[in-house]
Amino acid sequence: AQSVSQHNHHVILSEAASLELGCNYSYGGTVNLFWYVQYPGQHLQLLLKYFSGDPLVKGIKGFEAEFIKSKFSFNLRKPSVQWSDTAEYFCAVNAGRDGGSQGNLIFGKGTKLSVKP
Amino acid sequence: DTGVSQNPRHKITKRGQNVTFRCDPISEHNRLYWYRQTLGQGPEFLTYFQNEAQLEKSRLLSDRFSAERPKGSFSTLEIQRTEQGDSAMYLCASSRPPGTTGELFFGEGSRLTVL
Repeated sequence: AQSVSQHNHHVILSEAASLELGCNYSYGGTVNLFWYVQYPGQHLQLLLKYFSGDPLVKGIKGFEAEFIKSKFSFNLRKPSVQWSDTAEYFCAVNAGRDGGSQGNLIFGKGTKLSVKP
Repeated sequence: DTGVSQNPRHKITKRGQNVTFRCDPISEHNRLYWYRQTLGQGPEFLTYFQNEAQLEKSRLLSDRFSAERPKGSFSTLEIQRTEQGDSAMYLCASSRPPGTTGELFFGEGSRLTVL
């Protein structure tokens, strides 16, 4: 069965610090990978996704993630965080079965990011 | 996009009662998903529809749970004989047909509290 592990439950950073949130998945086949973000009081929204091609993907608000197939990882990074990045971040994966659209999307437990002004 | 709409936003019920949640997806999206999220956990997949067909169900979806999407538009999730363990946020999401962006658009969720 597929699973997703997010290494950090809660990360606290000061503004301008660099961010890296870990995500590892377990699945041996082709995968589609996602990072979703949930700002306080808002619904989940897509931050970025990887289906194929360049393993370094760029998303909204200056976020990027790198797919390293040999490590089964898809870590999220941002060089300089802002107070407005305070949110919960979820890594998700599904088996790449049907042309890039999701059937059963498996989420990690999430990482809460708190950015101090 | 007008967004995915869920109601009620919050439901408090007594153990043993039945509850129903409704989800209205984004109008041109033919896929609709239900997830459940409990405190400290990520969303857990329950089921999804393509148009009116229910294509996949999780083992989490016990016999007390039933989901429908009769006309391929809105969907309902009914929980019969609720238990305290059913207390959670129930999330609905929708997406465009396969082979397009692959992004799920989530609603704000329906929070269930079972006393």
